[in-house]
Parts: sequence; structure tokens; C-alpha cells
Amino acid sequence: AQSVAQPEDQVNVAEGNPLTVKCTYSVSGNPYLFWYVQYPNRGLQFLLKYITGDNLVKGSYGFEAEFNKSQTSFHLKKPSALVSDSALYFCAVRDRRGSYIPTFGRGTSLIVHP
Amino acid sequence: DAGVIQSPRHEVTEMGQEVTLRCKPISGHDYLFWYRQTMMRGLELLIYFNNNVPIDDSGMPEDRFSAKMPNASFSTLKIQPSEPRDSAVYFCASSLGQTNTGELFFGEGSRLTVL
Repeated sequence: AQSVAQPEDQVNVAEGNPLTVKCTYSVSGNPYLFWYVQYPNRGLQFLLKYITGDNLVKGSYGFEAEFNKSQTSFHLKKPSALVSDSALYFCAVRDRRGSYIPTFGRGTSLIVHP
Repeated sequence: DAGVIQSPRHEVTEMGQEVTLRCKPISGHDYLFWYRQTMMRGLELLIYFNNNVPIDDSGMPEDRFSAKMPNASFSTLKIQPSEPRDSAVYFCASSLGQTNTGELFFGEGSRLTVL
């Protein structure tokens, strides 16, 4: 079985400050991990993924995520938040040896204040 | 590529009416997914296809819901009869085969309002 948890429904950060959106996962084997972003009235857009190798993954729009196997976490980060980063962020996990279908978290609403 | 294309973007209908949502996946993608998004339940997987064949429809809420994929470039999700609790945003997504890492590409969604 695979599951993912996003413990925060909402994250508030001031523009220019660093941001972190948290994600923890559970899989039987080794994971593929993903982050998606959803802007208002839009579909989900792929941001970045962890497959293997370097634990720090860089993605679109200056976002990055850190894979931590011991803590089973894959937190999304950005050094300096922009108001335009305000959106809904989804973490997803897929077990490499299990179902092809990813499991999505419930999403975290990021609000960046000017 | 134009991405995943969904239609209509918005649909308002009355309870009891039939609703048909349409999706054109990205060319070459062999997996197609239908999701439903609501505030209460978040993102729910309804059904997915592989090479036009339905693989898992356990997420389809009731017999009122049905989905088809007659060919690799077209899928429909039908609700008959529709009910107010079906109001949601319905997303179609596609992805490349099992050897790929499997990131999904989503359409812009169809917002359904059942009065």
C-alpha cells in the first residue's frame, strides 16, 4: 500500500521569505515522488519529481524538494516566495514496484502575502 | 503538443439530466485517468484506462457514472441521471507507459454544477 500525508491545510508566508510545504509518504518499496501545483481554476501542473540519485531535486519556477529516506519525507521548498506562488500544492507518491497509479495528498494551500 | 484537452470547461444542468464530459489525451500517452475534485473530498480517482481498456473503476461512485475510451485519442465520462451532489470539477489526465516514472498531465478541468 502507498499513502501520502500533507499535514498542513494552509501555509502562510511573506513575500521574499523562504517557504516549505511538507509531505510525508509511506510505500512498501522505493518511491517515486512528485509535486504538482494547481492555480485557481486550472488543472494540476507537474512541478518536479524524485526518481533516484541526488536527494535535492530542482523543478520549475525556482522550486526544489528534498528527499529524506529516513524521515520518509519530500518537502517542497523555495528560497524566496513570490505572491504569484500562491496556489494549491499536491504531493504524490508511487511505489516503484507496486501500482502504476500515484496516490495524491489532500493538498496544501500556499498563501504568499505581499 | 496542445496538452490534455477537456470539454466543456463549464456545465450547468438540472438534476436528472444527462451530462457528458469529454477528454482528448496527449498523443502517444497510453494511460488515461478521470479525477473528481471537491472541497470536501479533495482529489478522487474515478477510473483509469490503459491502452483504451478500463483497468480500475472502483472509484466510480455509483452506477450513474460511466466512462468509455473508444480510441486512443478520446474518452468520455457520463453521468445519468445527474444529481446536485455530483457538482465538482472533473479532471482528465494522461501519462506515458509503465516504463516511465509516471507523472500525470492534467487538463484544465470541467466544472459541473447540477441544480
